[in-house]
Amino acid sequence: GEDVEQSLFLSVREGDSSVINCTYTDSSSTYLYWYKQEPGAGLQLLTYIFSNMDMKQDQRLTVLLNKKDKHLSLRIADTQTGDSAIYFCAERNGYALNFGKGTSLLVTP
Amino acid sequence: SAVISQKPSRDICQRGTSLTIQCQVDSQVTMMFWYRQQPGQSLTLIATANQGSEATYESGFVIDKFPISRPNLTFSTLTVSNMSPEDSSIYLCSARTSGYIQETQYFGPGTRLLVL
Repeated sequence: GEDVEQSLFLSVREGDSSVINCTYTDSSSTYLYWYKQEPGAGLQLLTYIFSNMDMKQDQRLTVLLNKKDKHLSLRIADTQTGDSAIYFCAERNGYALNFGKGTSLLVTP
Repeated sequence: SAVISQKPSRDICQRGTSLTIQCQVDSQVTMMFWYRQQPGQSLTLIATANQGSEATYESGFVIDKFPISRPNLTFSTLTVSNMSPEDSSIYLCSARTSGYIQETQYFGPGTRLLVL
C-alpha cells in the first residue's frame, strides 16, 4: 500500500505550540484524520479534514492540508502535559484507512 | 458520533487456543473494521466486517486464522484462532459513520492480547 510518513518523536515545552507533520502519497485520498493514543488506551479521533479543504480549526487544534505537496500538519496551541501521547495521521484510501507509524509527543513542564 | 465497546479489554492466553473478541457500537454504522496494532507499531487493517456475508480480508490475513462475524449493523466479533506468541497484539474494532456531508471513523478501546 501507499506509505504515510511521520516523524517519530517531538518534544515541546508546556505552553508552546506543537506542530506534527505528515506526508502521504495517494492523491486520491478523500479524508485525512488525526488520532491520539495515550498509553494503554485506544485511538481517540481528534479531527479530520476533507480533501477539498485547506484548513480546519477546532479549539486548540489546527489542521493544514497542502494537496500539492501531499502534506498534512496538526498544530496544537498552548500544549499541555496532558497532550503527551502518540499522534497518528491516517489517509482514507478507498474503503480503508492507511496509518502512519505515529509521532510521540512529549510535553515538558 | 459512535461509541464503541470491546470485550474483553485484555486477556492472557495459552498457545494453541482461540479467543473471540466482541465489538458493540451504540448506533448503526455503515462499515466495521478490525485492526491489529503490534507492540510499538502502527495499525494494520485485518479485514472489513460485512453484515450478513463473509468478511473481506487484507493481504496476509485469512479467514481460517481470523474468522469474523457481523450479524447486524452494530455488532461484530473477531476470533484469533490457534494462537501463537506472534499474535500478541492490540486488536481494535473500528466503525465508520456517514452523514450527509461528512463521514468519520471511530475506534474502540482495543483488546490487549498476550499469548504465552
